[in-house]
Amino acid sequence: QLVESGGGVVQPGRSLRLSCAASEFTFSTSAMHWVRQAPGKGLEWVAAISYDGSQRYYADSVKGRFTFSRDNSKNTLFLQMNTLRTEDTAVYYCARESVDWYFDLWGRGTLVTVSS
Amino acid sequence: DIQMTQSPSSLSASVGDRVTITCRASQRIGNYLNWYQQKPGKGPKLLIHAASTLESGVPSRFRGSGSGTDFTLTISGLQPEDFATYYCQQSHITPPWTFGQGTKVEIK
Repeated sequence: QLVESGGGVVQPGRSLRLSCAASEFTFSTSAMHWVRQAPGKGLEWVAAISYDGSQRYYADSVKGRFTFSRDNSKNTLFLQMNTLRTEDTAVYYCARESVDWYFDLWGRGTLVTVSS
Repeated sequence: DIQMTQSPSSLSASVGDRVTITCRASQRIGNYLNWYQQKPGKGPKLLIHAASTLESGVPSRFRGSGSGTDFTLTISGLQPEDFATYYCQQSHITPPWTFGQGTKVEIK
């Protein structure tokens, strides 16, 4: 399973770090993703990381502000979010990528609210 | 980037109805099309991958079809637990992985 944490209320321009704890599967061989959902809106892919952390990809909307990392020794993902904007307000989900690039396991999400 | 367009954005149906949701890609994506179901307050759940492959444990009343640019999710014999929002997603040309805007299936 996947369990996200670290969400909360933060002012615009500040930073926040999300975590995602993985269990019950071989985390170190899985590519992983963050997907977000603004209140009342649809799903937006945010970032991806390869199984070993050597490759990372970001949506244009977060590139240069968010950093995706992982610690395979602790089965944990991290999303460092800097220079937050009000439009970053969303529930953030971590998800596991299957061998054929779809997302076969999702967490329940953590809410990030960016507001002054 | 590949754009995914779902229709309708919402629909009302009764238990037992047959429901069809369509998803169109802005360019050909082969069969790299996936369907997710999301219920309020929960993370999405994968229903179908590769356009028509049902995930283990997903009822057979769910059926996916299509290839290229046009895809369909059909629910035959809608059940109370099927009222949810459904999203399509392409995984052919990535990044980015792109989703449709969602289709909310409501009780009539």
